[in-house]
Amino acid sequence: EIVLTQSPGTLSLSAGERATLSCRASQSVSSSKLAWYQQKPGQAPRLLMYGVSTRAIGIPDRFSGRGSGTDFTLTISRLEPEDFAVYYCQQYGNSPTFGGGTKVGIK
Amino acid sequence: QVQLVQSGAEVKKPGASVKVSCKASGYTFTSYGITWVRQAPGQGLEWMGWISTYNGNANYAQKFQGRVTMTTDTSTSTAYMDLRSLKSDDTAVYYCARGPIIFDSWGQGTLVTVSS
Repeated sequence: EIVLTQSPGTLSLSAGERATLSCRASQSVSSSKLAWYQQKPGQAPRLLMYGVSTRAIGIPDRFSGRGSGTDFTLTISRLEPEDFAVYYCQQYGNSPTFGGGTKVGIK
Repeated sequence: QVQLVQSGAEVKKPGASVKVSCKASGYTFTSYGITWVRQAPGQGLEWMGWISTYNGNANYAQKFQGRVTMTTDTSTSTAYMDLRSLKSDDTAVYYCARGPIIFDSWGQGTLVTVSS
C-alpha cells in the first residue's frame, strides 16, 4: 500500500495569501496518478485536481498542482474566503489511498 | 446533473450489519463504477473498495475483505454497501462516489454509529 503523508497538518493564512500544500508518497506514484480533493465541514469531498495538474470541471485557475514520483504540491495562488477547508491528496496508481489531510485555516 | 443520494443515518449494535444505499441519477449508471469511502469522526478519508456497475465485479480494500459486500441494482441505478460484524471503530460517515479511481461526484454521506 502506498502511504501518503501530507504537510503541514494545518496552515494558517489570510485571504489573498498563497497556500502551498505538500503530499509525499512512500513509493513512486505511477503515471502521475495523483488527485486532490477539498472538503468543507459537514460536506462531502470535492474533486479539485487529477493527473497531478489537471483541474476538474469548474475549478478556478488559482488552484494548481505539480510534482512527480513521490513529491507533489497543491498551490492556491490567492486564497479566497471559500478556500478555507481541508485538502486531501489521493493516489490511484495502485489500490487507492488518501493522505491524512491539510487544514487551511484563517489566520 | 449528476446526483448520488444515500440512505439515512443508522445506529447499530456491535456485531450487527449495516447496508447503505446510494441512488444515482443524471448519468448512465453502468458507465461509471461506484466507490465507497468512509471517514471516522474528525479523521481522514479511507478507501473501502469499488464495484463495477457494468458487470458487478467488486474490488475491496484488504482491511475489509470478508466483512464487506458491494452490490448494485442496475434497474434502479442503486449501489449498496453491506458491512458486517460491526465494531465501535466502524463508526463513521460512509460515502459513495462516482468512479473507480478518481471520484468526481459524491453522495451526501451516511452516518453509521456503532454503540451498545
